[in-house]
Amino acid sequence: EAGVVQSPRYKIIEKKQPVAFWCNPISGHNTLYWYRQNLGQGPELLIRYENEEAVDDSQLPKDRFSAERLKGVDSTLKIQPAELGDSAVYLCASSLVAGTNTGELFFGEGSRLTVL
Amino acid sequence: AQSVTQLGSHVSVSEGALVLLRCNYSSSVPPYLFWYVQYPNQGLQLLLKYTTGATLVKGINGFEAEFKKSETSFHLTKPSAHMSDAAEYFCAVSSPFNSGGSNYKLTFGKGTLLTVNP
Repeated sequence: EAGVVQSPRYKIIEKKQPVAFWCNPISGHNTLYWYRQNLGQGPELLIRYENEEAVDDSQLPKDRFSAERLKGVDSTLKIQPAELGDSAVYLCASSLVAGTNTGELFFGEGSRLTVL
Repeated sequence: AQSVTQLGSHVSVSEGALVLLRCNYSSSVPPYLFWYVQYPNQGLQLLLKYTTGATLVKGINGFEAEFKKSETSFHLTKPSAHMSDAAEYFCAVSSPFNSGGSNYKLTFGKGTLLTVNP
């Protein structure tokens, strides 16, 4: 069974440029998460989807970040324009059951963003 | 609000020695607790989890953790370290998104880097 697939693995851009990350969750997983992991820190939730609905986006900086999951399968996270502080690893995860109380989150390998 | 504190950002042990990674949590409701491992340039992988029932939980690769409510702790242990255990370990806690309790938010600690010396 294929795991969570993310692309690109690495991206280097100059500040003020746009960038997009793509995630394809495990087949059949209705819940999709985007996390941001800063250097030396644990992952922090940006947004959670149940199918195509964003049910928690309270930590998403909406002035520059946007996300979509149009058909309830794959998802895109966009930053426009990027700032120096956006340098981080962006992790996508999916789970079979809603929430995380009993369900395991399956993580992709992450997309490492460097903003110069 | 919920939070996780991992004591020690870096733990170094010799091969064959006991591994002990400390995790303390704060939660206003009964927590669910997790340990994830992250190998270099890879995503996070679940090691073990506590939801209800037995407080001593066993995970993959010989790891186990014990939920101690009175100490608000969920320390991770392994009797004998192996070189392949070198990785970063994250403790996480979940609690309800909302008062209904049907949805849960996972909060991670800052991680502990484990190095294993030959």
